[in-house]
Amino acid sequence: RKEVEQDPGPFNVPEGATVAFNCTYSNSASQSFFWYRQDCRKEPKLLMSVYSSGNEDGRFTAQLNRASQYISLLIRDSKLSDSATYLCVVGNQAGTALIFGKGTTLSVSS
Amino acid sequence: GAGVSQSPSNKVTEKGKDVELRCDPISGHTALYWYRQSLGQGLEFLIYFQGNSAPDKSGLPSDRFSAERTGGSVSTLTIQRTQQEDSAVYLCASSLAPEEKQFFGPGTRLTVL
Repeated sequence: RKEVEQDPGPFNVPEGATVAFNCTYSNSASQSFFWYRQDCRKEPKLLMSVYSSGNEDGRFTAQLNRASQYISLLIRDSKLSDSATYLCVVGNQAGTALIFGKGTTLSVSS
Repeated sequence: GAGVSQSPSNKVTEKGKDVELRCDPISGHTALYWYRQSLGQGLEFLIYFQGNSAPDKSGLPSDRFSAERTGGSVSTLTIQRTQQEDSAVYLCASSLAPEEKQFFGPGTRLTVL
């Protein structure tokens, strides 16, 4: 099993749609979880941290299921500007670094 | 405040030449990471520095790759005898501590002809 696994997509959705991305991770001892966003030919930027109780930031909601080792990101009311690659990120077993998934590509069209 | 900076932003070199890439992390960040990203691919971890500890070099693809971090701040990634397959964007990131959120620099786009 890969350390961090994501569906690469692409997800093609119309403006206003709700879209959900899933991610699974292999290290049950991981303590840190994040979603990053990467625009084409740009560096990754932090979108949001993921907390055990779930958290929301505007149109974005992140959920963590430790028992299933599963993380999700929900985007409501998609905007054209949401088009990007979304990277699932998990702390490594040693607690020394972050492991990045290969990303899920989202394309929002008008 | 100032973010992570990298230089040069672009580097074109000939096969067999050595190159040095520089990273200036955010002031006060003890952890520094180097990644590589080939076109259309995910991030590939290269090396990690934390404070004065020995670096984690487990991601370096060959002994042609090395990195230093002087004074716990600036880092340089050196690639010796570059090969065409070394062409990629080299990204540097820093964080306050291990497993904390990482902030990325804009990257250095390396092209080996």
